[in-house]
Amino acid sequence: KQEVTQIPAALSVPEGENLVLNCSFTDSAIYNLQWFRQDPGKGLTSLLLIQSSQREQTSGRLNASLDKSSGRSTLYIAASQPGDSATYLCAAGGSQGNLIFGKGTKLSVKP
Amino acid sequence: GAGVSQSPSNKVTEKGKDVELRCDPISGHTALYWYRQRLGQGLEFLIYFQGNSAPDKSGLPSDRFSAERTGESVSTLTIQRTQQEDSAVYLCASSLELAVYEQYFGPGTRLTVT
Repeated sequence: KQEVTQIPAALSVPEGENLVLNCSFTDSAIYNLQWFRQDPGKGLTSLLLIQSSQREQTSGRLNASLDKSSGRSTLYIAASQPGDSATYLCAAGGSQGNLIFGKGTKLSVKP
Repeated sequence: GAGVSQSPSNKVTEKGKDVELRCDPISGHTALYWYRQRLGQGLEFLIYFQGNSAPDKSGLPSDRFSAERTGESVSTLTIQRTQQEDSAVYLCASSLELAVYEQYFGPGTRLTVT
């Protein structure tokens, strides 16, 4: 059974800092890995999708990497801003499209 | 274009009543998924549709839960004889095709069973 773990559970950084969020999964037989942000009281916003054959994806200040063999993914956020404050979720995608989510990292970026 | 929409946004119901939650996926998306998020817990996968077919219902929490989809359009998640443990945010997502493509989520329906 796939299990997804995210470390740290919470992170507080000053504005402008670069940061890394970690995600690990137990079953390397994934179709893809997707990163989301969740703002309080709102739904999920998709950030990046990495297919199982890919090593990384980039979008603006965000870069996500995937190492299937070690069961790890990282989300790198460059030059963090207060607007980046949210909970970041990673999800491992199975063959039926079922996403198995971690519990998230709550990020707070202080001005 | 329009994203995934869900209705109602909030639903308060008495224990034992039936509820129906609705999801309108992005137009053209063949795959649709239901998840739930209980307070303080992670998102839990419930069921997926490829077109209007749901081949695997094993993720549904109990036989009080059922879901259907009309063609490649609207889906409804029905909970019969609601229990307090059913209180959660129910999220719907859709993707262009099953498994391979990015999933886009709706805003969710917050269900409270009193």
